[in-house]
Amino acid sequence: AQKVTQAQTEISVVEKEDVTLDCVYETRDTTYYLFWYKQPPSGELVFLIRRNSFDEQNEISGRYSWNFQKSTSSFNFTITASQVVDSAVYFCALSEAFGNEKLTFGTGTRLTIIP
Amino acid sequence: DGGITQSPKYLFRKEGQNVTLSCEQNLNHDAMYWYRQDPGQGLRLIYYSQIVNDFQKGDIAEGYSVSREKKESFPLTVTSAQKNPTAFYLCASSENENTGELFFGEGSRLTVL
Repeated sequence: AQKVTQAQTEISVVEKEDVTLDCVYETRDTTYYLFWYKQPPSGELVFLIRRNSFDEQNEISGRYSWNFQKSTSSFNFTITASQVVDSAVYFCALSEAFGNEKLTFGTGTRLTIIP
Repeated sequence: DGGITQSPKYLFRKEGQNVTLSCEQNLNHDAMYWYRQDPGQGLRLIYYSQIVNDFQKGDIAEGYSVSREKKESFPLTVTSAQKNPTAFYLCASSENENTGELFFGEGSRLTVL
């Protein structure tokens, strides 16, 4: 069975600080996919990134970066120089195989950026 | 603009009543999904449909029903058999069933009085 753990329920940081959201996953498969989604106050989830298990390269997209480490089963998300617009709930998700119906979501981390 | 529209945004119902949540997409996506979100929990899959006139149960389908008569529409009915229906319901779609990139609506919050 697959499992995604986001141990940080809520995080608050002052604007312009860096913040890292942790994600730890469990799976028995060697091929799997990891995702991050953002849920702003408006409610809809917004896709941020997908990473397959064979690609451990870190990825950077503007102020966002992701650190994938198979050795620790982690897929952490860092926001650099945080802004108020980054305030949202962030979900990490795992799929053991191709098929969106197989996505398992973590419980989410509520991030609040204090102006 | 292309996207997913859910209605109503807020809905109140009395115990014992069925209620239908609407989900419409104009993204020309084949696959559509319904998720339930409860406080402090991740999203849980209720039903999904990969093609018109076909749908499959997700992890928590009991007490819910769906239909997929048109590609752009995937309504969810919360029946009186659903024991704890108060929740936030999210509809999503994807270009196909394998991309992993889901596009979500803004959700419908159902409260049972």
